[in-house]
Amino acid sequence: GAVVSQHPSWVICKSGTSVKIECRSLDFQATTMFWYRQFPKQSLMLMATSNEGSKATYEQGVEKDKFLINHASLTLSTLTVTSAHPEDSSFYICSARPPSGGDTGELFFGEGSRLTVL
Amino acid sequence: GQNIDQPTEMTATEGAIVQINCTYQTSGFNGLFWYQQHAGEAPTFLSYNVLDGLEEKGRFSSFLSRSKGYSYLLLKELQMKDSASYLCAVMDSNYQLIWGAGTKLIIKP
Repeated sequence: GAVVSQHPSWVICKSGTSVKIECRSLDFQATTMFWYRQFPKQSLMLMATSNEGSKATYEQGVEKDKFLINHASLTLSTLTVTSAHPEDSSFYICSARPPSGGDTGELFFGEGSRLTVL
Repeated sequence: GQNIDQPTEMTATEGAIVQINCTYQTSGFNGLFWYQQHAGEAPTFLSYNVLDGLEEKGRFSSFLSRSKGYSYLLLKELQMKDSASYLCAVMDSNYQLIWGAGTKLIIKP
């Protein structure tokens, strides 16, 4: 099946620094990728929809200046957490839907990136 | 508002059968998904239903009734590795996924 890869899997950073997380679709082109955040024992929460070549669409309550999304190519989207604070510590997951998955709408997820801000 | 309801936690015995229910109220409907998520990992796709009825895939089956806003995931011949959270998600009229909070399934020997 389609593969989506995320990097890094784990990251620990100091408060006030910025962290970049990459999401790559390895064997298909993804015009749209999705970024989620998941706090412990909670469901996935959609943060934003990343569209190749255009601005991301952010969900209500998500600060676009804090969570910068860049979808510069059909296989890569990046999420940058700027000026990270301890409350940003979470599990960040990306997903993408391959063109052939249009009938089922199946999403393929990256491995997730666990961010810990000290 | 949009809402997905599923039980918070269920316990079952190895080798048994368990049914996880999901009810939904969404603006439009473009399919219902079940995902499995082990602790600390990303979700993996289990099933997709867009028409009423039962879809069987090995030990897992998923059922949908659009008129009732209801789905269930049926797991047979439970194995210890099936211990995980099971997420129900509905794609609404804007093709956005609305996620349930997940059902934590605990399998006991």
